[in-house]
Amino acid sequence: KQEVTQIPAALSVPEGENLVLNCSFTDSAIYNLQWFRQDPGKGLTSLLLIQSSQREQTSGRLNASLDKSSGRSTLYIAASQPGDSATYLCAVVGDKIIFGKGTRLHILP
Amino acid sequence: SAVISQKPSRDICQRGTSLTIQCQVDSQVTMMFWYRQQPGQSLTLIATANQGSEATYESGFVIDKFPISRPNLTFSTLTVSNMSPEDSSIYLCSVSAGGSADTQYFGPGTRLTVL
Repeated sequence: KQEVTQIPAALSVPEGENLVLNCSFTDSAIYNLQWFRQDPGKGLTSLLLIQSSQREQTSGRLNASLDKSSGRSTLYIAASQPGDSATYLCAVVGDKIIFGKGTRLHILP
Repeated sequence: SAVISQKPSRDICQRGTSLTIQCQVDSQVTMMFWYRQQPGQSLTLIATANQGSEATYESGFVIDKFPISRPNLTFSTLTVSNMSPEDSSIYLCSVSAGGSADTQYFGPGTRLTVL
């Protein structure tokens, strides 16, 4: 049974810093991995999708990596801004879509 | 991409009643999904809404409690029946053009509180 873990559960960093969010999964038989952002009381916004054959994807200040063999993905956020404050969720897509519990990120102005 | 709207955005309901949540997409999509996000938890897939056939429910979710309709390729409803306080959650609709292996797009969610 696939299990998805996100560490840390919460993170506060000063504005301007680079940061890394972690996602680990137990079953490497996946189609892809997706990172989402969720603002309080809102739905999810897709940030990046990495296919199982890919190693990384980039969009603006975001870079997501995938190491299927070790069951790990990271989301790197460069030059963080207060507007980046949100909960970040990773979802692993195999036979089912399994979400992690998310990392609550707070960027301090 | 897809733009998804949900109605209502939030509701407060009495125990024992039912609520129907609507999900509208701005384009035709093959697969629509319904999720539940309980307070402090991540998303759990309730069911996949299939156009022209019965919904496919995940373990722990049954049609009598969460009946789903999918009358066409742009619309679906989820009903939460005979509600109890444990049903208080955010309910989210999502779509994927290429099935679960493609990018998922989510609606804004419906925040349900059951008293």
